[in-house]
Amino acid sequence: DAKTTQPTSMDCAEGRAANLPCNHSTISGNEYVYWYRQIHSQGPQYIIHGLKNNETNEMASLIITEDRKSSTLILPHATLRDTAVYYCIVRGGGATNKLIFGTGTLLAVQP
Amino acid sequence: EAQVTQNPRYLITVTGKKLTVTCSQNMNHEYMSWYRQDPGLGLRQIYYSMNVEVTDKGDVPEGYKVSRKEKRNFPLILESPSPNQTSLYFCASSLRQGFKEQYFGPGTRLTVT
Repeated sequence: DAKTTQPTSMDCAEGRAANLPCNHSTISGNEYVYWYRQIHSQGPQYIIHGLKNNETNEMASLIITEDRKSSTLILPHATLRDTAVYYCIVRGGGATNKLIFGTGTLLAVQP
Repeated sequence: EAQVTQNPRYLITVTGKKLTVTCSQNMNHEYMSWYRQDPGLGLRQIYYSMNVEVTDKGDVPEGYKVSRKEKRNFPLILESPSPNQTSLYFCASSLRQGFKEQYFGPGTRLTVT
């Protein structure tokens, strides 16, 4: 599974869009990009995933660059409850379900 | 409500006293797994199960046992707990192996003295 690099922490004003970057320059063709988040010692929560195309669901949007070497998770209108550690994970589609969590990005939404 | 439950949520025990942490899901998921989370090490997979009576080791299985006699339950057993098993434990499930979305339980904070 490809390694990912994320900033250690970010701040965002409440109501503004939060853009969380992830670098995965060694991603291979069949590997998906997943985003999970963990709110203070709670169980990680699935947010979104994608392979090549941009994806959107009720929680967030995922923008993947054309060369797939990086991606951005967008929370369109951040709230205080979005304060959490956000993990970007890259994993092959045919692999086991094991998720390898790195250190993630601590997003602090400020009032 | 679709969920993964774990019990107990908090446990303080002593070295060598056998304990079981239960995990149950109500989504008819085939795949279940256990992770432990430690500061600076992230979440690491302990064991996983692809279906009833099918289990396999993850990255850090030493000192743990699991069983999968029913689809909904996947208990984690520590036969002889030691202080280095003090950790935050999470159970997770997904519809089947290879399915993208995993659901995590609320966690069990275990302290072994």
